Order: sequence, then C-alpha cells, then structure tokens
Amino acid sequence: EAGVAQSPRYKIIEKRQSVAFWCNPISGHATLYWYQQILGQGPKLLIQFQNNGVVDDSQLPKDRFSAERLKGVDSTLKIQPAKLEDSAVYLCATGPGTGPYEQYFGPGTRLTVT
Amino acid sequence: GENVEQHPSTLSVQEGDSAVIKCTYSDSASNYFPWYKQELGKGPQLIIDIRSNVGEKKDQRIAVTLNKTAKHFSLHITETQPEDSAVYFCAASGSQSSYKLIFGSGTRLLVRP
Repeated sequence: EAGVAQSPRYKIIEKRQSVAFWCNPISGHATLYWYQQILGQGPKLLIQFQNNGVVDDSQLPKDRFSAERLKGVDSTLKIQPAKLEDSAVYLCATGPGTGPYEQYFGPGTRLTVT
Repeated sequence: GENVEQHPSTLSVQEGDSAVIKCTYSDSASNYFPWYKQELGKGPQLIIDIRSNVGEKKDQRIAVTLNKTAKHFSLHITETQPEDSAVYFCAASGSQSSYKLIFGSGTRLLVRP
C-alpha cells in the first residue's frame, strides 16, 4: 500500500513570497490533516478535513494560510505572504475514518523562509 | 488549555537495556493515545496506540501503559537496538468534540551499541 505522498520535499523562499504544498493521501482515507512542525517541537495541527469539509481550522493563521481539499482526495496548503517564523516542516497525515485514530504521516516539506 | 508534557527530552541507553518515556496530559476527555517514532528527514511513524478503555497494550518489544486517573501514559521499549535510535513523540486526542491530536515535545532516544 502506497503511503502519503508530499511535494516538494524542500523549498526555500524569501519572506513575503508565496508557496504551496501538495499532499496525496493513502487511497480511501477520508480524513486529512496538515501539521506544522517547528524544529525541536512536536507537530501542531493547522487544519483537518473530513472528505471535502473542514473539521477544525482553529489554529490556521487565516490571514496568510489557506488550504483546500479537492474532491475529497488531494490537498494543497498555501502560505501568502510568508514570514520568517513560517520556517518549519509541513506534514500531511491521513486517516481511514472519523476521529483522530491511526494517522499516517507523509515525509513532509521542509520550508525555509529567508 | 489542552497540553501534553513529555519526559525526558533526551535518553541514552546501552543496547539491550530498556527505555521508558513518560507523558502527562491535561484534558480528562482525551481517549486516544498514540506514540510516534520520527527518524531524521522522515515523517512520524505510528508505532503503537492505546485507547482509554485499556490499561496496557504490547507489541513485541514495545508496550504502552495508561493511567487515566493520574492522566499519564508511558512507552516502554525492551531489549533496545541501535535502530531504535530516533525521536519519539507521544500524543493525546483533544476534547470529544475535536479530532485533533496534541503532541508532546519529543524524546530523543540514543541506543549505544
């Protein structure tokens, strides 16, 4: 079974530029999460989708971050404009059902904002 | 607010010894407690999880115990091997109305050959 795919793996941008990350979930997984992992810390949830709908986006900085999940499958996370403090690894995770159970993570995208 | 504390932040053991990592959580409504292993440059990998209706769960050399009264849970790794070296994260589910996981700050485990 293929795992969660993410691209790009690395991205370097200057502050105030925009960037987008892509996630392809495990086939059949209804729940999709985007996490931000700052160096030396645990992942922090940014947004959660159940199929097409947003379940929780309470920690998403909506003035600069946006996310969508097309047709309940692939998802993109965008940052515009980026700030220095956005430097982190952005992780996508997916799960087979409702609830927080059995989340499987992709390899992440390491973003560096200069 | 929801919080998960994890200790120790670093742990060094000799190959073959046991390793124990402990976490405490704040939300008494939490009912799901997974553990993840993260190797350098990779995403976290689910290694074991436990739900609140169970006090202990074991999978080969890995076991997790849960004390809901005290709101703490622990990861036990026996007969450690060098390939166990990684960062380990505990997590707890949020309140029953939320699907989120709250992660601890991680434990860097080093197994010395």
